[in-house]
Amino acid sequence: GENVEQHPSTLSVQEGDSAVIKCTYSDSASNYFPWYKQELGKRPQLIIDIRSNVGEKKDQRIAVTLNKTAKHFSLHITETQPEDSAVYFCAAGFDNYGQNFVFGPGTRLSVLP
Amino acid sequence: KAGVTQTPRYLIKTRGQQVTLSCSPISGHRSVSWYQQTPGQGLQFLFEYFSETQRNKGNFPGRFSGRQFSNSRSEMNVSTLELGDSALYLCASSPTDGSNQPQHFGDGTRLSIL
Repeated sequence: GENVEQHPSTLSVQEGDSAVIKCTYSDSASNYFPWYKQELGKRPQLIIDIRSNVGEKKDQRIAVTLNKTAKHFSLHITETQPEDSAVYFCAAGFDNYGQNFVFGPGTRLSVLP
Repeated sequence: KAGVTQTPRYLIKTRGQQVTLSCSPISGHRSVSWYQQTPGQGLQFLFEYFSETQRNKGNFPGRFSGRQFSNSRSEMNVSTLELGDSALYLCASSPTDGSNQPQHFGDGTRLSIL
């Protein structure tokens, strides 16, 4: 089955710096890659997603890149702010009937003021 | 639109008991997925329901079951509870019947087993 690895597990950056989180997946059939942000005690919230027919997608300070050949995708956050501090999860979705996602173990991002 | 609603928010049970958790999806959403979140295992997929049918299933024992009603509300049941079932159980709904659609999560039910 699909396996998703995520690195680093923890990341500390200074406010205003960039943060990069990387994920790799094992199943070449996966074709949808969402990223979720989960603040302490709150629900995971979708922040950006990308499909396998696209190499890069950007939304303000957040961007995601996908390399299908290498089976890895990355989340880039620029000009980080303290409110970006949270746990970030990547996920891979199978090309099958319905919803079936495998999540990475998460990255705890701390933005230091 | 109201978001995904899960009840109850907190639950304390003892080993051997059973529990039922409820999830009301966003109005118009027909797909409901359930996840178990623990510090050690992260977010793990339990199952997905669509049109009252289980469409996908993760690797959990048969003690974990679910169902979906005609109004898309879903329930999850865990029987013969074990200490290791202590976790945050999250429900997520999706707007269409297609594959790989964005999911919207509820706040979860935190289940503690004593």
